[in-house]
Amino acid sequence: EAGVAQSPRYKIIEKRQSVAFWCNPISGHATLYWYQQILGQGPKLLIQFQNNGVVDDSQLPKDRFSAERLKGVDSTLKIQPAKLEDSAVYLCASSSYTGATNEKLFFGSGTQLSVL
Amino acid sequence: AQSVAQPEDQVNVAEGNPLTVKCTYSVSGNPYLFWYVQYPNRGLQFLLKYITGDNLVKGSYGFEAEFNKSQTSFHLKKPSALVSDSALYFCAVREEAAGNKLTFGGGTRVLVKP
Repeated sequence: EAGVAQSPRYKIIEKRQSVAFWCNPISGHATLYWYQQILGQGPKLLIQFQNNGVVDDSQLPKDRFSAERLKGVDSTLKIQPAKLEDSAVYLCASSSYTGATNEKLFFGSGTQLSVL
Repeated sequence: AQSVAQPEDQVNVAEGNPLTVKCTYSVSGNPYLFWYVQYPNRGLQFLLKYITGDNLVKGSYGFEAEFNKSQTSFHLKKPSALVSDSALYFCAVREEAAGNKLTFGGGTRVLVKP
């Protein structure tokens, strides 16, 4: 079974530039998550999709971050304009999500973003 | 609001010795607790979970965790550590009152020395 695919693996940009990350979840997984992991911290949920609808985006900085999941499969996370404090690893995860709280998440390898 | 605390930034242990990684949690209702591991340049991998029932949960790679409701703890344990267990370990909690959002602790780096 193929895992969660993310690209690019690394990205270096200057502040005020824009950047986009792509995620392809495990086939058949209805729920997709984007997490931000700053060095030395645990992952923080940015946004959660159920199929192509947003379930939770309460911690997404909506003035600069946006995300979409067209057709309920692939997803793109965008930052525009980037700030220095956006330097982090951006993790995508998916789950089958039957609605049970005991579901486990499958994570991709992440995109490491450096904002200079 | 739900939260998770991992009081140790790093745990050092000699190979063959027991390994314990501590985790405490705070929730308003019934907790659903998880442990994930992150190897260098890899995504997080699920180790084990506690939902209900037996307080001792067994997971992947010989790891187990003990749920203690009175101490609100969910410590991760392994009887005999391997060098290959060196990684970053995250405790996480979920509860229905928080919309099933998965909240992670800050992580504990485990270094197993030969």
